[in-house]
Amino acid sequence: EPEVTQTPSHQVTQMGQEVILRCVPISNHLYFYWYRQILGQKVEFLVSFYNNEISEKSEIFDDQFSVERPDGSNFTLKIRSTKLEDSAMYFCASKARNNEQFFGPGTRLTVL
Amino acid sequence: GEDVEQSLFLSVREGDSSVINCTYTDSSSTYLYWYKQEPGAGLQLLTYIFSNMDMKQDQRLTVLLNKKDKHLSLRIADTQTGDSAIYFCAESIVDSSYKLIFGSGTRLLVRP
Repeated sequence: EPEVTQTPSHQVTQMGQEVILRCVPISNHLYFYWYRQILGQKVEFLVSFYNNEISEKSEIFDDQFSVERPDGSNFTLKIRSTKLEDSAMYFCASKARNNEQFFGPGTRLTVL
Repeated sequence: GEDVEQSLFLSVREGDSSVINCTYTDSSSTYLYWYKQEPGAGLQLLTYIFSNMDMKQDQRLTVLLNKKDKHLSLRIADTQTGDSAIYFCAESIVDSSYKLIFGSGTRLLVRP
């Protein structure tokens, strides 16, 4: 069964460093998303991506964040200069035509 | 604004039915979802319902939607210890990029 994959499963970085989180969405899906979940809190929407551009972004998704689909399979989230408060689980998701939205296993980002 | 509310905790005995409740605020929601999250894992799509339906059944899972009261429930029949997890309700807004707005999750504990 097709699934969304994410790498790495855990990323530890120093404050101020850049990180790139990677995702491979399900191949015939057209909408892609990043969400995050700070420990013990709700899952929060960050950004959606459709037709090779951002279709919507939340207030959290400021200039420090960017997304890219560099080829036909990968979908990346870059945080330019990480802050302590960026520590969270980051989930990638992709949406089928029937509106089923499938999530990857997540990347745990720890900023020290 | 968009908001999804859930009770935080539910404890049931193995073999009993569990009912997890959710309320949402956005009347333009088209799809409402239930996700399951086991410790340290990603979000597993359990089921979803289109807003013009009032009930959907899928094996042990029954979703009920009261659109007038903006109330959604998930009933798990014959609850097993493997059902212990956090259950998230989420709504998808048709005017947006189908982003999901999540509740804070209900922790279900199944006692043997």
